[in-house]
Amino acid sequence: GQQLNQSPQSMFIQEGEDVSMNCTSSSIFNTWLWYKQDPGEGPVLLIALYKAGELTSNGRLTAQFGITRKDSFLNISASIPSDVGIYFCAGKSGTASKLTFGTGTRLQVTL
Amino acid sequence: EAGVAQSPRYKIIEKRQSVAFWCNPISGHATLYWYQQILGQGPKLLIQFQNNGVVDDSQLPKDRFSAERLKGVDSTLKIQPAKLEDSAVYLCASSLDGGYTEAFFGQGTRLTVV
Repeated sequence: GQQLNQSPQSMFIQEGEDVSMNCTSSSIFNTWLWYKQDPGEGPVLLIALYKAGELTSNGRLTAQFGITRKDSFLNISASIPSDVGIYFCAGKSGTASKLTFGTGTRLQVTL
Repeated sequence: EAGVAQSPRYKIIEKRQSVAFWCNPISGHATLYWYQQILGQGPKLLIQFQNNGVVDDSQLPKDRFSAERLKGVDSTLKIQPAKLEDSAVYLCASSLDGGYTEAFFGQGTRLTVV
């Protein structure tokens, strides 16, 4: 099945730094979702985006729905140790409503 | 509000045995999803239910996997017989409807086939 491409695959940053990651697709989506997954747990929803160009924030997290509808971006400002985990993007098309997941970005935060 | 409940959390079986997983979605959520997540990969949709009807099962290996959602609430996913490559985390998720609303995940069941 199709998967969205996320980059970078992994990141090692220092506490306090800002983080940027993106997700690209060959297909157009009408909804973009960003999830965080901790070891041994299911993905937890962080941000949902419903309109092209939309910019939405959730605390230190900001995500954008790309104008082309084929990409999305997630930024984390002033990272802290609990930001460690795997971040997944997921896209839904309007008709099928099938949720397709990206390949994930693994984030490590050092003190 | 209670989240998506899954059981068991862990299961170890031998190849060719059968196994079943159970999911109880968030109350009132019409759409239920089963995902397979192999180590190091993103979740892959196996089957999607809208109430008790199947919306998408195009990626479900139907020769060995089956799922049902009787009465449009709880769901079970079964594997019979299991293969080594079925080792993965099986995630259940639910959403209010299948359109534009967000999907919420359970903790998953980690299956190891030896």
